[in-house]
Amino acid sequence: DTGVSQDPRHKITKRGQNVTFRCDPISEHNRLYWYRQTLGQGPEFLTYFQNEAQLEKSRLLSDRFSAERPKGSFSTLEIQRTEQGDSAMYLCASSPWTGTSYEQYFGPGTRLTVT
Amino acid sequence: GQSLEQPSEVTAVEGAIVQINCTYQTSGFYGLSWYQQHDGGAPTFLSYNALDGLEETGRFSSFLSRSDSYGYLLLQELQMKDSASYFCAVWGGGATNKLIFGTGTLLAVQP
Repeated sequence: DTGVSQDPRHKITKRGQNVTFRCDPISEHNRLYWYRQTLGQGPEFLTYFQNEAQLEKSRLLSDRFSAERPKGSFSTLEIQRTEQGDSAMYLCASSPWTGTSYEQYFGPGTRLTVT
Repeated sequence: GQSLEQPSEVTAVEGAIVQINCTYQTSGFYGLSWYQQHDGGAPTFLSYNALDGLEETGRFSSFLSRSDSYGYLLLQELQMKDSASYFCAVWGGGATNKLIFGTGTLLAVQP
């Protein structure tokens, strides 16, 4: 399978703990995006990388959230001091270097539950 | 602000035609994409419109009117497997490659 993969698929954590998620994009895609989706809502943009450069970050993203893409391949999203409001599906997507990033390829997501 | 409005739910029968509307108000607009998401699954790309008019892709068509800030997705010959959530999403072009998603429409196809 050469699609976008995410790990873990599910994460249950206690409030106050730190969590880290990983995303492996489609290998030839140099653009990588993180979104968050809550029940009954559409995906909400969090941040975007072009190669290893983080080019945009949502103003809704608190300082507890940080993302990296150190070698321009896989990416990690870390949430520090988790809160119950962080419970959501975290989706990663990728797209190639063309003018067509309106078509993004999504991974299966990591479902986070904060208790 | 930025907002995309869609009906929350639509119900139709197998073989029928259904239209899912989307009105948008965004600060930057280059085109409108449509995504399908089955329950528990990942969003998958269906269609994209940058210019006014209709784009057809098999049983699915998408329409855009830039002057009205309005688009729709048309699904023909509905099948049970089309039961899913459908999202419109504004793409801001090369300046910002992110997608701004609507609230989604849950389509239920009945036999």
